[in-house]
Amino acid sequence: AQRVTQPEKLLSVFKGAPVELKCNYSYSGSPELFWYVQYSRQRLQLLLRHISRESIKGFTADLNKGETSFHLKKPFAQEEDSAMYYCALIGSQGNLIFGKGTKLSVKP
Amino acid sequence: SAVISQKPSRDICQRGTSLTIQCQVDSQVTMMFWYRQQPGQSLTLIATANQGSEATYESGFVIDKFPISRPNLTFSTLTVSNMSPEDSSIYLCSVGDRGPNYGYTFGSGTRLTVV
Repeated sequence: AQRVTQPEKLLSVFKGAPVELKCNYSYSGSPELFWYVQYSRQRLQLLLRHISRESIKGFTADLNKGETSFHLKKPFAQEEDSAMYYCALIGSQGNLIFGKGTKLSVKP
Repeated sequence: SAVISQKPSRDICQRGTSLTIQCQVDSQVTMMFWYRQQPGQSLTLIATANQGSEATYESGFVIDKFPISRPNLTFSTLTVSNMSPEDSSIYLCSVGDRGPNYGYTFGSGTRLTVV
């Protein structure tokens, strides 16, 4: 089965603290994984693509095939990082399969 | 990446009526999808809109309830038919680009309230 699991519904940290949003997946073969972010009253937007191995807004994510994980990390959280974060993978139909999302709240 | 214009952005509809949502893309795209995001929930795929053929629906979604059109590679519509309060949700159009601009882009969504 193709599935994305985000175990934390809500993650609350203080400004300047490290952040790790967990994502685990189930997929046969080589998965293509993404992190999407949805700020308040804004559309869903792409944050990271695992194939690009990029760092966006200080966030990074490494694909760990052994642990079937794609956790999102940032060493020092900022208040403007507060948002909903969705992990997703490309399913066999070419569509994105989403996790349930984690709401990140960064407190001052 | 592609730019999507989705409308209407919101609507309040009477139960039993239908609403058609439009999705216009600024470039030709092969993959086009319709999702539903219920309050406080994640995104669920309704169907894949195929150009020149019938849409491919996910389990739990049927063509009679959610007819989809895709007349060309830049445009699609989703109709929510015979609406009930349970259809109150955000509906999103998405396009996929597996080319140089690899990624999936989303419309701003249509917030539907059925009363």
